Amino acid sequence: AQKITQTQPGMFVQEKEAVTLDCTYDTSDPSYGLFWYKQPSSGEMIFLIYQGSYDQQNATEGRYSLNFQKARKSANLVISASQLGDSAMYFCAMRRAGNQFYFGTGTSLTVIP
Amino acid sequence: NAGVTQTPKFQVLKTGQSMTLQCAQDMNHEYMSWYRQDPGMGLRLIHYSVGAGITDQGEVPNGYNVSRSTTEDFPLRLLSAAPSQTSVYFCASKIGGATNEKLFFGSGTQLSVL
Repeated sequence: AQKITQTQPGMFVQEKEAVTLDCTYDTSDPSYGLFWYKQPSSGEMIFLIYQGSYDQQNATEGRYSLNFQKARKSANLVISASQLGDSAMYFCAMRRAGNQFYFGTGTSLTVIP
Repeated sequence: NAGVTQTPKFQVLKTGQSMTLQCAQDMNHEYMSWYRQDPGMGLRLIHYSVGAGITDQGEVPNGYNVSRSTTEDFPLRLLSAAPSQTSVYFCASKIGGATNEKLFFGSGTQLSVL
C-alpha cells in the first residue's frame, strides 16, 4: 500500500506567485514526522521543512510552509513568491514510528518567468 | 563541514560482481540509512541503523547487506550485482527526535549494472 501519495506529477507556476504541492499519507501510528525535500537537476536532496504529528501549528521555513491537516492525512507544501530557482522535483516523505521512511513519487515544479 | 560523504559518485559493474558503497558522516548522528532512487518511484528505503551494532531492513532490502561498526560509517554491500540494482543510491543521517527532525543526504552514487 502506498504510504505517501503525490498526485501531481508536474506543476507550473508563474514567477512571484504562490503554489501548493499536494501530499497525502497513510499511517495509524500516533507519532510520525512529515518532510518535504527539493531535488534540483543536480540531483542533491535539499531539506525544506518538517512537521511532527503532535505539532499544533503548521511548520514554516522562510517561503515554505506546510499545511498540515491531520484528520485528512494531508501535508501540502506551500511555496510563496515563487522564484526561478524553485524549479525542481519536490518529494514528500514520512517517518513512521519504527524509524522507517517513505517517500512519494515526487512533483516536478516549473517556474515560468 | 563535510556532512554526509558518499563514495564513489559513479560506478559500473558487471552482473555478479560485488562492491561496497561507502557512507560516512561527521555529525555524530545515531540514525543512518540507505535509499535507492529509480525513475518515477521516488526514494525507497533499503536498510537503516539507529546506532552502532544495530541495523534493520527497509522496504527493499533484498540483494543488499549493511553493517554498522562505528557511529560514523554505514557501508552498503552488493553481494552479487544484478541489472535490477541499476539505480541512484543515497545515504542519509538524521538528527532530532519527535519535535525537530532532519534527514541529511549525501550527494548520491549512480550505479549501473551491465
